[in-house]
Amino acid sequence: DAGVTQSPTHLIKTRGQQVTLRCSPKSGHDTVSWYQQALGQGPQFIFQYYEEEERQRGNFPDRFSGHQFPNYSSELNVNALLLGDSALYLCASSSTGYGGYTFGSGTRLTVV
Amino acid sequence: SQQGEEDPQALSIQEGENATMNCSYKTSINNLQWYRQNSGRGLVHLILIRSNEREKHSGRLRVTLDTSKKSSSLLITASRAADTASYFCATDFWGAQKLVFGQGTRLTINP
Repeated sequence: DAGVTQSPTHLIKTRGQQVTLRCSPKSGHDTVSWYQQALGQGPQFIFQYYEEEERQRGNFPDRFSGHQFPNYSSELNVNALLLGDSALYLCASSSTGYGGYTFGSGTRLTVV
Repeated sequence: SQQGEEDPQALSIQEGENATMNCSYKTSINNLQWYRQNSGRGLVHLILIRSNEREKHSGRLRVTLDTSKKSSSLLITASRAADTASYFCATDFWGAQKLVFGQGTRLTINP
């Protein structure tokens, strides 16, 4: 049973560029959440998608946007990249009614 | 600001010893979860304890929750080198639809 799959694993972008990260949830899960983890810090919640809509959003600027597809997979888009966007981006899936989350291995984004 | 605060920030013990990590939080919760992270990779879910539970066990792991003190602890017994990792507590509070993580405890098991 595949867990959460994220792609790519590593990415280097130039300041000002745009990036798209992808996530496939665990089989049977219908909810996808995205987190940003800076080096040495705990993950910070970006947003959550359920039924193809953004259900909850953390304290992140509009440069961060997302999408959920009918097959529950999700994308995270970041526009106008800043050096401070360099971080590990984690995708987590869950199913409605259960509190536990399954995390992917993350995408390491470096902005230069 | 992050809801959970872990203590200590770093812990180094000998293999075979027990390791205890603590977590405090600020507001009422639905549940509290503990995760492990190896070398900055993905998080592995360890235990979920609901607000009406006081203690849960999973193998060598024991988690307690004291809602009156807004605190939780994670005990790892008979530690092994493979337990070396960062451990995070995360709170899920009512209606939030998200996890709020602490800064984590960096655990090192020395052979």
